Amino acid sequence: GNSVTQMEGPVTLSEEAFLTINCTYTATGYPSLFWYVQYPGEGLQLLLKATKADDKGSNKGFEATYRKETTSFHLEKGSVQVSDSAVYFCALKNTGFQKLVFGTGTRLLVSP
Amino acid sequence: DAGITQSPRHKVTETGTPVTLRCHQTENHRYMYWYRQDPGHGLRLIHYSYGVKDTDKGEVSDGYSVSRSKTEDFLLTLESATSSQTSVYFCAISEDSSGNTIYFGEGSWLTVV
Repeated sequence: GNSVTQMEGPVTLSEEAFLTINCTYTATGYPSLFWYVQYPGEGLQLLLKATKADDKGSNKGFEATYRKETTSFHLEKGSVQVSDSAVYFCALKNTGFQKLVFGTGTRLLVSP
Repeated sequence: DAGITQSPRHKVTETGTPVTLRCHQTENHRYMYWYRQDPGHGLRLIHYSYGVKDTDKGEVSDGYSVSRSKTEDFLLTLESATSSQTSVYFCAISEDSSGNTIYFGEGSWLTVV
């Protein structure tokens, strides 16, 4: 079946530090991959996506590259801000299906 | 922001009572979804709809039913609430058949005591 595995959190960083949140997946076929962000008390917002191997999704300084050979979609940012503190979810959607499959989420805490 | 409104946003109810959560969209999107969010599980799909009166089960559908009589409204009903259904419920919508862009509502916090 389809599944997504994310690194355990929380991830605690100081402002301007480099961020990596690991995400690996298991899927048949050629899924699309997503990162969603959830700020406190809010719903999920799409952060970035990639629909085929070697695609790089990017938004707001975050980026992730779809690596089929390692079945990974790690989220990175070169310099985090306090305002990036949130929960980040990796997700996949397989071809022909409407349903997103989510990882368990990784909480990021950025201190000044 | 996608035009998605969930109601109620917060509810406390007693075990054994029926509860209905409503999702209303103003985007005229065909696909609508109900997810629940629990610590350690991320978001899990309960039910989804691919058109008026067309619905299907997700991975955690036991104890839940849904209805979609109009494009804009997708109702989630807990027939007899249990404490294990205490959760945050999110409605989501998507426009096209690829489902590559899915928008989420702000969530409904449900506590079953």
